[in-house]
Amino acid sequence: QKEVEQNSGPLSVPEGAIASLNCTYSDRGSQSFFWYRQYSGKSPELIMSIYSNGDKEDGRFTAQLNKASQYVSLLIRDSQPSDSATYLCAGGTSYGKLTFGQGTILTVHP
Amino acid sequence: ETGVTQTPRHLVMGMTNKKSLKCEQHLGHNAMYWYKQSAKKPLELMFVYSLEERVENNSVPSRFSPECPNSSHLFLHLHTLQPEDSALYLCASSQEAGRGETQYFGPGTRLLVL
Repeated sequence: QKEVEQNSGPLSVPEGAIASLNCTYSDRGSQSFFWYRQYSGKSPELIMSIYSNGDKEDGRFTAQLNKASQYVSLLIRDSQPSDSATYLCAGGTSYGKLTFGQGTILTVHP
Repeated sequence: ETGVTQTPRHLVMGMTNKKSLKCEQHLGHNAMYWYKQSAKKPLELMFVYSLEERVENNSVPSRFSPECPNSSHLFLHLHTLQPEDSALYLCASSQEAGRGETQYFGPGTRLLVL
C-alpha cells in the first residue's frame, strides 16, 4: 500500500510562532510533493510544491524535502489566525496521480 | 467563470436514483481528475483523464461512471449508489497528467445518499 502519513493533530500554535507540519511517504517512485491548505467546507488550494532535496521558501512558507528519509515538511513562520486550516501533504507519481495524507489540522490562536 | 467550476454544489439522492456531476475547467488544461473526500479519510483519486482519454481508474466501483467529452468538461455519472458513497466529490485539472504537475481543485459537490 503506497501511503502518505501525516500527524492528524490538531496542532495548536500561538500567533506569531512557527508551525511545523510533517509528512512521510512510502512510495520511492514519488518524485514531486505538494502542500495544500483546505479551509473547512472549502476545496484544497496549493501552498507549495517541491521536487528536489533541500528547502524551498515562498514568503512565510518553507517546504523541506529529504528523499533519503522519505520525509517532507512545511514550516509556517509568523503564524496568523488565518492560517488555521487543514494542511494536506501529497506525493505525485505517474499520470498525475497524487496520493494524499489524511491532513493535519492547524489552529493558530491569538 | 474562472478556474474550475462544479455543479451542483449539493446533491441529495436516493439509492435508486441516477444523477450526474459536472465539472468544467477554464484554464486551458489537458488533464482532469475526480477525487472523493470522505470524513476522516484522505482524499482518494478516482479517475484521471488526459486529452479526453482515461489513463487511471483507481479501482472504483462501476456505479461511478466518468465521461470526458472534451478537455474542458468532465462528468461523473452516478447510479444505484450506497449510503457510504456520501462524500465531497472534487474535480481538479492540471496542464498535463504528469508527476510534477500542480492540480487545481474545484469547489466540490457535497453528495448525500439516502
